[in-house]
Amino acid sequence: AQKITQTQPGMFVQEKEAVTLDCTYDTSDPSYGLFWYKQPSSGEMIFLIYQGSYDQQNATEGRYSLNFQKARKSANLVISASQLGDSAMYFCAMRPYSGNTPLVFGKGTRLSVIA
Amino acid sequence: DSGVTQTPKHLITATGQRVTLRCSPRSGDLSVYWYQQSLDQGLQFLIQYYNGEERAKGNILERFSAQQFPDLHSELNLSSLELGDSALYFCASSSGQGWYEQYFGPGTRLTVT
Repeated sequence: AQKITQTQPGMFVQEKEAVTLDCTYDTSDPSYGLFWYKQPSSGEMIFLIYQGSYDQQNATEGRYSLNFQKARKSANLVISASQLGDSAMYFCAMRPYSGNTPLVFGKGTRLSVIA
Repeated sequence: DSGVTQTPKHLITATGQRVTLRCSPRSGDLSVYWYQQSLDQGLQFLIQYYNGEERAKGNILERFSAQQFPDLHSELNLSSLELGDSALYFCASSSGQGWYEQYFGPGTRLTVT
């Protein structure tokens, strides 16, 4: 079975600073995908970034980057130059490539950006 | 805007009732997923359809059922509703059978009174 652990229930960051949201995962599958989603107070789930387990380079999407350390089974999200609009819940998720295993989510981290 | 639409946005109903939630995937996406997000259980996968066929099942109660129609829209039916069914229900879609990124709709907030 797959498991995602997000150990930070809440975090604060100053505007324009960088912040790292932690995510560790557990799976016995050799091939899998890792995802981060943002959920603002309005409720919608917004896809941010994806990392494949065999990708050699860390994924980046604008101000988002994924610090992927396969041996440590961690997939931390780094947000650079934080903005007030980044205040939201952030969910880490994973899914093995094999079979029809669904996306498994962590409990989330609530990020608050302070002006 | 993810391109996934869900209706209705809000739904208030009484215990014992039955409701239907509707989802239209992004254009071209064949997979539809349903998730339930509640305060105590977090975000949980319910069921997946791919091109009209059920592909994976998660923590879906027997009182709940879903289907995907030929035009690829999907409906989630919740019956004999209980207070504990109050949650945000998301539909997501992806182009493949699941290991691509999934794009979520805005959700339907169900309140059972």
